[in-house]
Amino acid sequence: AQKITQTQPGMFVQEKEAVTLDCTYDTSDPSYGLFWYKQPSSGEMIFLIYQGSYDQQNATEGRYSLNFQKARKSANLVISASQLGDSAMYFCAMSVGNAGKSTFGDGTTLTVKP
Amino acid sequence: SQTIHQWPATLVQPVGSPLSLECTVEGTSNPNLYWYRQAAGRGLQLLFYSVGIGQISSEVPQNLSASRPQDRQFILSSKKLLLSDSGFYLCAWVTGSSYNSPLHFGNGTRLTVT
Repeated sequence: AQKITQTQPGMFVQEKEAVTLDCTYDTSDPSYGLFWYKQPSSGEMIFLIYQGSYDQQNATEGRYSLNFQKARKSANLVISASQLGDSAMYFCAMSVGNAGKSTFGDGTTLTVKP
Repeated sequence: SQTIHQWPATLVQPVGSPLSLECTVEGTSNPNLYWYRQAAGRGLQLLFYSVGIGQISSEVPQNLSASRPQDRQFILSSKKLLLSDSGFYLCAWVTGSSYNSPLHFGNGTRLTVT
């Protein structure tokens, strides 16, 4: 069975600073994908960034980067230069197998302070 | 472009009443389709997924059922709602049928069972 753990229920960051959201995962499957999604208060789920288990380099998408440490089974999201619009809930998720099913963590609520 | 429609946006239903939530995808063919439920302040729990017409896999035993009558249509149903069925229901799709494909979500249905 797959498991995602997000240990930070809530985080605060000052506008324009960087913030790291933690995620650890557990799976026995050697092939998997790791994802981060953003959920604003409106409820929509927005895909942010993807990291494959065989990727050698950390993924980056604009202000988002994924700090992938395979041996430690961690996939932390780094948001640089935080903006007020980054305030939202962030979910780490993992997918294994060909059915595309994803397992989600409980999320981290990020609040950006002006 | 690909879009996903999910309705209704909000729903208030009495205990014991039936339920039907519908989700349709446009701009893609043969997608994998998923129903997730999110309890308040929690992560997403996979309820059902489908890799083709008429093919439904249930992830957790419960009071709900799903059907896929057409390639791009996914329906979540219940004959008699329970209070515990309250939550935020999200439909999602994936192309590529692989662990490296991100989920694309509808805007969700907020269901309150009274």
